[in-house]
Amino acid sequence: KAGVTQTPRYLIKTRGQQVTLSCSPISGHRSVSWYQQTPGQGLQFLFEYFSETQRNKGNFPGRFSGRQFSNSRSEMNVSTLELGDSALYLCASSLGLAGENEQFFGPGTRLTVL
Amino acid sequence: AQKVTQAQTEISVVEKEDVTLDCVYETRDTTYYLFWYKQPPSGELVFLIRRNSFDEQNEISGRYSWNFQKSTSSFNFTITASQVVDSAVYFCALSELLAGSYQLTFGKGTKLSVIP
Repeated sequence: KAGVTQTPRYLIKTRGQQVTLSCSPISGHRSVSWYQQTPGQGLQFLFEYFSETQRNKGNFPGRFSGRQFSNSRSEMNVSTLELGDSALYLCASSLGLAGENEQFFGPGTRLTVL
Repeated sequence: AQKVTQAQTEISVVEKEDVTLDCVYETRDTTYYLFWYKQPPSGELVFLIRRNSFDEQNEISGRYSWNFQKSTSSFNFTITASQVVDSAVYFCALSELLAGSYQLTFGKGTKLSVIP
């Protein structure tokens, strides 16, 4: 069974630009969650999608948004990039809701904002 | 105040030593979940264990064991006879009900280095 895949693996953007990250969950998993990982703040929850509906959202500004498609694939968008958005963005999928179940993580997208 | 505290930022042990990673959490809920995840140098987090708040039984899985004590709000993780492959960052996480859904909060992680 293929694991969680994320594309692209690396991205370099400049301030003010926007970026879209993609995540393909494990086949059959309906929940996709996104996390931001930085050395200073650690792992922080961004949002969770389950059956195309956003179930939960972390404490991030509205510049961070996402969506989930009918095949459970998910995208995350960050608009008007800031230097502080440089981070590893992790996607995770689970059979059921993320907060109650084992999550399978992807390798992440390393975003650098210059 | 942090909801999940992993007081040990970094630990180094010599191979074959036992090591315990501490996790203290804070919640007012009676129903919640606790997790441990491992992040090896390759980067991908790997699930280790999930425990719900009503199950205080300790768990052993090979060289790994977990001690859950609600009285002290702790969920500690012990590796027996550590090996170099255990070198990783270990995250403890708490899942609480927020706005109708359980939401995970991770601790800052403990970086374990096992020296051969």
